[in-house]
Amino acid sequence: EVQLLESGGGLVQPGESLRLSCAASGFTFSSHAMGWVRQAPGKGLEWVSSITSNSRAAYYADSVKGRFSISRDNSKNTLYLQMSSLRDEDTAVYHCILCDSGWVGDNWGQGTLVTVSS
Amino acid sequence: EIVMMQSPATLSVSPGERATLSCRASQSVSSYLGWYQQRPGQAPRLLIYGASTRATGIPARFSGSGSGTEFTLTISSLQSEDFAVYYCQQYNKWPLTFGGGTKVEIK
Repeated sequence: EVQLLESGGGLVQPGESLRLSCAASGFTFSSHAMGWVRQAPGKGLEWVSSITSNSRAAYYADSVKGRFSISRDNSKNTLYLQMSSLRDEDTAVYHCILCDSGWVGDNWGQGTLVTVSS
Repeated sequence: EIVMMQSPATLSVSPGERATLSCRASQSVSSYLGWYQQRPGQAPRLLIYGASTRATGIPARFSGSGSGTEFTLTISSLQSEDFAVYYCQQYNKWPLTFGGGTKVEIK
């Protein structure tokens, strides 16, 4: 069974940094692209970033480009999202996704809440 | 960026009835279109990818159609567990984009 467990969320002030992690199990992590999708409270889904299985390519939403960095450690079956220069509008639940059928979220973690507030 | 527009915003349907949800792209996304269901308090679940292919374990009452800029998700006979919010997502071009969602509520 695929399991994606996010961690690292919390309350931070504007301008600060945070690193999210996603521990994956139940599938061959190194063979699949992965990504992050966020959802602000009471709002819709917003794609944040995706990365290929071998880390050769990474993609970002314009809203986070230059501030967020996606990475993965295939030896640890873990996906990361390094977030810096955080803004109020980055407040959201961040979901880790497994991409198996193209660049869609075949499986989702329950998410970790990031709150940016002074 | 490709803008995805979903309609209606809210759809009121009685159990057992058919629901038809629409998704329109601001430019062609070919068949690179996915549909998700999100129940309250839960993570989204992939229903359809490639515009019309059901994801693993998805019941046959869910079907997707369309290509280019116009897409439809049909739920043939609504069950109680189908009342939820549905999102479409294009993956033809970066950045990936989602529609604003359609809430399917009990009539």
